[in-house]
Amino acid sequence: AQSVTQPDIHITVSEGASLELRCNYSYGATPYLFWYVQSPGQGLQLLLKYFSGDTLVQGIKGFEAEFKRSQSSFNLRKPSVHWSDAAEYFCAVLFTGGGNKLTFGTGTQLKVEL
Amino acid sequence: EAEVAQSPRYKITEKSQAVAFWCDPISGHATLYWYRQILGQGPELLVQFQDESVVDDSQLPKDRFSAERLKGVDSTLKIQPAELGDSAMYLCASSLQDHEQYFGPGTRLTVT
Repeated sequence: AQSVTQPDIHITVSEGASLELRCNYSYGATPYLFWYVQSPGQGLQLLLKYFSGDTLVQGIKGFEAEFKRSQSSFNLRKPSVHWSDAAEYFCAVLFTGGGNKLTFGTGTQLKVEL
Repeated sequence: EAEVAQSPRYKITEKSQAVAFWCDPISGHATLYWYRQILGQGPELLVQFQDESVVDDSQLPKDRFSAERLKGVDSTLKIQPAELGDSAMYLCASSLQDHEQYFGPGTRLTVT
């Protein structure tokens, strides 16, 4: 069955520290991969996406993500976290062959300590 | 920058009442989606439209939920009657052909 897993429900980092949020998927082929961020009470904003090509993708707000086919992973990283990055982060996967249906992970809540 | 519009932003209703949400996608986006997001979870697709046609409504509780996009532009999602378990954020998104979905700010529904 197709699935998306975000193993970390909550992560706390200090401002200025590096960040890595994990995302794994289960699928027989290469899906389209996305990371979204959601501030409290708000909609989702796209941070970055991977469809094909270079496996290291750059996004907005200084975020990047790396697709690793061998590990079925698409982890989100940021070298130096700012207090304004505190939010919930969702990995999403579009399993090709099923229309444009996105499947979301359960999210990782990021807390930034000053 | 064009955005997906949703209204209302917040809605409180009593159980057994009817409630409706409205979404206006980005101009020119043929595909429109309605998602439900329960607190602490990721969004789950309720219904997907391509122009005015329903492409996928397999997760829509059809006994109480309905959705329409009559002219292939804006859309309405209705719940009748509302139940306590319907309390959630209802998100609308739209896309062109490149699979990138743009989300609106959502409607927070509380059923009492």
